[in-house]
Amino acid sequence: DIQLTQSPSFLSASVGDRVTITCRASQGISNYLAWYQQKPGKAPKLLIYAASTLQSGVPSRFSGSGSGTEFTLTINSLQPEDFATYYCQQVNSYPRTFGQGTKVEIK
Amino acid sequence: QVQLVQSGSELKKPGASVKVSCKASGYTFTSNAMNWVRQAPGQGLEWMGWINTNAGNPTYAQDFTGRFVFSLDTSVSTAFLQISSLKPEDTAVYYCARTIAAAGSFYFDNWGQGTLVTVSS
Repeated sequence: DIQLTQSPSFLSASVGDRVTITCRASQGISNYLAWYQQKPGKAPKLLIYAASTLQSGVPSRFSGSGSGTEFTLTINSLQPEDFATYYCQQVNSYPRTFGQGTKVEIK
Repeated sequence: QVQLVQSGSELKKPGASVKVSCKASGYTFTSNAMNWVRQAPGQGLEWMGWINTNAGNPTYAQDFTGRFVFSLDTSVSTAFLQISSLKPEDTAVYYCARTIAAAGSFYFDNWGQGTLVTVSS
């Protein structure tokens, strides 16, 4: 199984900050990676697929990059509604696996 | 618009069974596969497997073989997750998630609201 390791696991930031979350895969997955946002008590929401393609309706302050084994999610100018937990997921092979999550909290 | 509406919370005793439903609307149900994802309290997301809504054949992740069954009723655009011989460690929120084909693979673009299953004596 492909393991995904996110860093950091917890991040404290202020409104307006630029935030970067990293996801490392245990083996190469090309660009078959998605990023999800989850708020407490809610279902995950697809933000980015194919490592860098913004899902329809997602604000442009979110961006993704990477290929192979290292990926990043960047949030430019963090907004109050962005405080949430973020997960990466690989869809290169089965079983689909998720990273352990990165919780972004208000400083 | 695409909607996945899941059945309500369940409280079950160990050894019982539960069946969670996921009713789809706003698209042709058999055009997109359906996945199931588990989230234990305070924990991350765990992919359980998926079901081909056209052919009806399920695929289970290794940790979800035996007691977990995915099924469909295409006449009402609904997917089901049944868990038998429930254990306290099955306590979790269970999500259904629709798959879309994009950029050479398949991504989870719409999710149900989640169903909390609590297993306690």
